[in-house]
Amino acid sequence: DADVTQTPRNRITKTGKRIMLECSQTKGHDRMYWYRQDPGLGLRLIYYSFDVKDINKGEISDGYSVSRQAQAKFSLSLESAIPNQTALYFCATSDLTGGVQETQYFGPGTRLLVL
Amino acid sequence: AQKITQTQPGMFVQEKEAVTLDCTYDTSDQSYGLFWYKQPSSGEMIFLIYQGSYDEQNATEGRYSLNFQKARKSANLVISASQLGDSAMYFCAMSFSGNTPLVFGKGTRLSVIA
Repeated sequence: DADVTQTPRNRITKTGKRIMLECSQTKGHDRMYWYRQDPGLGLRLIYYSFDVKDINKGEISDGYSVSRQAQAKFSLSLESAIPNQTALYFCATSDLTGGVQETQYFGPGTRLLVL
Repeated sequence: AQKITQTQPGMFVQEKEAVTLDCTYDTSDQSYGLFWYKQPSSGEMIFLIYQGSYDEQNATEGRYSLNFQKARKSANLVISASQLGDSAMYFCAMSFSGNTPLVFGKGTRLSVIA
């Protein structure tokens, strides 16, 4: 079984709808992240969480919210989806046991299309 | 400001040849880490190799090696004996001490030609 899972893997929704993307991990990591990827722009950080009680905004948090329900679960919500939120979304996890060697492990991604 | 730059949007390489993907970075931190990830057409992000700023030897992992030149602030990925399966996007990323998340470059698309 994969260490980091994302559901759904693909989603088509309409403008104005609220949707939730879910991420679960079995790696036992404290740190979790949500990124979006757009062609030519690389990965951009949306939100991150260093433990269950910690939530931080990333580079592009407007229009998004998150919930860290447990160490293993981190959900991303689009409150009112708009077409320019069409992208590939990644969840990632890491821990600090290696100091600066904070390798991030990624989920398989969720392809979101907002019509 | 912490920044990663990948200047090559796209690269071509002949099968079985070596290829170097460029990555430069900007930081005033003394302790940091450098990573390379591969993203094949299927979309997943695969961790390839890591180099710490205090590591004296260049990192190697199979056909991947990291040409780390600290004074020039570069961390280029070298892939030896390219294979068709190496065709993918490659991302360079940097980590820092403390609570700053990884910073990613915009990526380089590598195409391996038979």
